[in-house]
Amino acid sequence: DAGITQSPRYKITETGRQVTLMCHQTWSHSYMFWYRQDLGHGLRLIYYSAAADITDKGEVPDGYVVSRSKTENFPLTLESATRSQTSVYFCASGRSSGANVLTFGAGSRLTVL
Amino acid sequence: QQQVKQSPQSLIVQKGGISIINCAYENTAFDYFPWYQQFPGKGPALLIAIRPDVSEKKEGRFTISFNKSAKQFSLHIMDSQPGDSATYFCAASGYDKIIFGKGTRLHILP
Repeated sequence: DAGITQSPRYKITETGRQVTLMCHQTWSHSYMFWYRQDLGHGLRLIYYSAAADITDKGEVPDGYVVSRSKTENFPLTLESATRSQTSVYFCASGRSSGANVLTFGAGSRLTVL
Repeated sequence: QQQVKQSPQSLIVQKGGISIINCAYENTAFDYFPWYQQFPGKGPALLIAIRPDVSEKKEGRFTISFNKSAKQFSLHIMDSQPGDSATYFCAASGYDKIIFGKGTRLHILP
C-alpha cells in the first residue's frame, strides 16, 4: 500500500527496556521526521533525516537513536525507555524540508510503565 | 528565534459559527505557512497553506489570512460544522526547518 506506515500502533513496555518504533514510506521522499506529541506541548521534533545515512537532531533528541540505511525506512529506538517517554510518536515524510508538505503516519502510542 | 505561537489552546464554537485560530512567528526567513488538521487517533494532515506573497487564501470554508508586517497568520473556518472538531496546528517553514505551533483543540457544538 502506498503511504507511510508506522508499527507498532500500540506498545506497552517497562522502564529500562529497549523499544524500536518502525516507519516505512513508499513515496521515496528524501526527508523523514520523528515527532512526539504530548498534551500542552504540541508536536516536538525528535530527529529528522534528509536522505539515507544523513540524520540530525531536533528539539528533543535525548534518549532516542535513529538510523536510515534505506530511503524508505526510518526507525526510532529508545535505548532505555523512561516514563517520560510515554507519548504518541508520529513519523512524517516529505520531498524536502522547509516549504514542504509533510505526510504523517497514524502514530505509535507508547506507554512506559 | 524559531517559535511559532498559537492561540487559543482550545476553542468551542456553535455550529454555523466562525472559528478563528491565530498564530505568530518570529523568523522572517520562513516562507511557507501550512495548517494541519488532526482527528483523534490519526496523524496530522495538511489542510491549507499560504505563502507570504499573498494576504489571503480560501479553500471552501477554510481561509488563511496572512499579515506579513505583523508576522501573524490566522485560520478562519466559516459555517463551522461538528465534523470540523479536531486539533489544528499552524506551522512555519523555510530552508531545512518546519516549526509547529502547540495546537488548538476545536470543538463545534451541534
